[in-house]
Amino acid sequence: GENVEQHPSTLSVQEGDSAVIKCTYSDSASNYFPWYKQELGKGPQLIIDIRSNVGEKKDQRIAVTLNKTAKHFSLHITETQPEDSAVYFCADRGPFLSNFGNEKLTFGTGTRLTIIP
Amino acid sequence: DAGITQSPRYKITETGRQVTLMCHQTWSHSYMFWYRQDLGHGLRLIYYSAAADITDKGEVPDGYVVSRSKTENFPLTLESATRSQTSVYFCASRNRAGSETQYFGPGTRLLVL
Repeated sequence: GENVEQHPSTLSVQEGDSAVIKCTYSDSASNYFPWYKQELGKGPQLIIDIRSNVGEKKDQRIAVTLNKTAKHFSLHITETQPEDSAVYFCADRGPFLSNFGNEKLTFGTGTRLTIIP
Repeated sequence: DAGITQSPRYKITETGRQVTLMCHQTWSHSYMFWYRQDLGHGLRLIYYSAAADITDKGEVPDGYVVSRSKTENFPLTLESATRSQTSVYFCASRNRAGSETQYFGPGTRLLVL
């Protein structure tokens, strides 16, 4: 089945520096790639997403890049701040199913990002 | 706007007991999902539902049952709890049209002794 690998599992970054988290996926038919941020004791929250027909998307300090040929996508956080400390999950949505489209997201195993003041 | 809520937030039960986790959303979203979160596995889909009375299995459905008689509710039942079902359970929802964002509830932390 679909597999999403996420690296690194932990990442410590000095405040103000950039952080990069990478994910690879196995199904070339995957068409949607969201990134979620999970703060301690809370549910995941979408921070940015990208569709397969786009190579890059930015939202202020956050950007996502997609390389369909290599089947990997990355989250870039610039000018990191203490509030960026959290667990980040990548995910992808595979090919459409026969019943009612495809809403299944396959998640990576998460990256714990720590911003050092 | 309450959004998506889960109850209970914490639950301790014993092996073999039946447990039901509740999920309620106020947005009238068509899709609802149940995930479990375990260290080293990320979030894994248990069951999902496209609308009332339409449900389908996810990646790890064994030992779980769902129902969706009303659009706003999506309960998850562990028919006979096992220790391997100790986990944090998240419910999520999204609308059929427009944004593809899945909105997650706050989670239920379940301990099976």
